[in-house]
Amino acid sequence: AQRVTQPEKLLSVFKGAPVELKCNYSYSGSPELFWYVQYSRQRLQLLLRHISRESIKGFTADLNKGETSFHLKKPFAQEEDSAMYYCALRTNNFNKFYFGSGTKLNVKP
Amino acid sequence: DGGITQSPKYLFRKEGQNVTLSCEQNLNHDAMYWYRQDPGQGLRLIYYSQIVNDFQKGDIAEGYSVSREKKESFPLTVTSAQKNPTAFYLCASRGFSVGNTIYFGEGSWLTVV
Repeated sequence: AQRVTQPEKLLSVFKGAPVELKCNYSYSGSPELFWYVQYSRQRLQLLLRHISRESIKGFTADLNKGETSFHLKKPFAQEEDSAMYYCALRTNNFNKFYFGSGTKLNVKP
Repeated sequence: DGGITQSPKYLFRKEGQNVTLSCEQNLNHDAMYWYRQDPGQGLRLIYYSQIVNDFQKGDIAEGYSVSREKKESFPLTVTSAQKNPTAFYLCASRGFSVGNTIYFGEGSWLTVV
């Protein structure tokens, strides 16, 4: 069965420090992975997707099929990065999206 | 203003009553989804629909029902059979273009009193 695991419920870092939010997945097919972010009082929105290989707001994520991971990284965290982050997997069939339990990132001044 | 609209934002229900949450989108998306969000559990899929007049159960469909009579609308009914209905409910939609992801509504808080 497909599953998305985010082991950290809460991650606190100081402004300017590097940050890595972990995401591991299990899926028998070829996955498509995403990171979603939810800022305070805003709706859940797409941050980035692995197929685009893009950097959004300084965040990057590389799909590692060998380790079945899709960790989100940023070299220098900013206070405005404080939010809830969800890793998601889309299945090839039926276009179902599975989400991890989320990691709350708190960037301290 | 394009997007996904959920209503109501806050809803209280007495035990034993059914309640329907509305979800409307004007993005011309074919697929629509309902998720339930509980603290520490992330988002769990209740139902999804890939096309009008068709829908499929997700992982936690028991106690819920949906309909998809129109492309833009995907209402969710929380029935009295749902054992623990107090939660935050999120509706989402997706187009079928390559690379399209899903877009979320603002959510509806349901509290059973």
